[in-house]
Amino acid sequence: KAGVTQTPRYLIKTRGQQVTLSCSPISGHRSVSWYQQTPGQGLQFLFEYFSETQRNKGNFPGRFSGRQFSNSRSEMNVSTLELGDSALYLCASSLASGGASSSSTDTQYFGPGTRLTVL
Amino acid sequence: GNSVTQMEGPVTLSEEAFLTINCTYTATGYPSLFWYVQYPGEGLQLLLKATKADDKGSNKGFEATYRKETTSFHLEKGSVQVSDSAVYFCAIIQGAQKLVFGQGTRLTINP
Repeated sequence: KAGVTQTPRYLIKTRGQQVTLSCSPISGHRSVSWYQQTPGQGLQFLFEYFSETQRNKGNFPGRFSGRQFSNSRSEMNVSTLELGDSALYLCASSLASGGASSSSTDTQYFGPGTRLTVL
Repeated sequence: GNSVTQMEGPVTLSEEAFLTINCTYTATGYPSLFWYVQYPGEGLQLLLKATKADDKGSNKGFEATYRKETTSFHLEKGSVQVSDSAVYFCAIIQGAQKLVFGQGTRLTINP
């Protein structure tokens, strides 16, 4: 079974631009989560989508947004890029049954990440 | 909220040495616990997990036991190899699909 794929793998943008990152989950997985990884802040949760609905959101400004399509593929968008947005953006998918009060045993499988550099 | 504290690195060992990376967590109830590994230039790979107290997760010679009484999930390996050099992350999840990670421990194994 193919793993989580993310495109593109590398991006270079300038301040003020916007960017869209894509994530294709493992077949059959309906939950997609996004994380930002930086040397200073470590791994931080951005948001999670399940069945095309955002279920959870981390503490990031509104410039960070996402969506999920009917085939469970997800995109995240960052508008008005800032230098501090330079990071590795990781996507993870899981089987995740519906409802936030699930058993929480659904393991998240990560893609290789998209390395975003903002100049 | 939930939090994870990991042993600070970097950790440098010789091949065949014994490895312990400490991890403690703060959470109410019974979160699921994970260790992920990140090799240079790659994403995170699940190494092992445990979902209830006293469970032992194991994979590739690595082990970790869910200790509810000490809120810990320490990673151990009896004999490390050069190929184990990577960054290791302890993480918890509870309720919502939101992993909370420790800061990561960089491990270097010298031949």
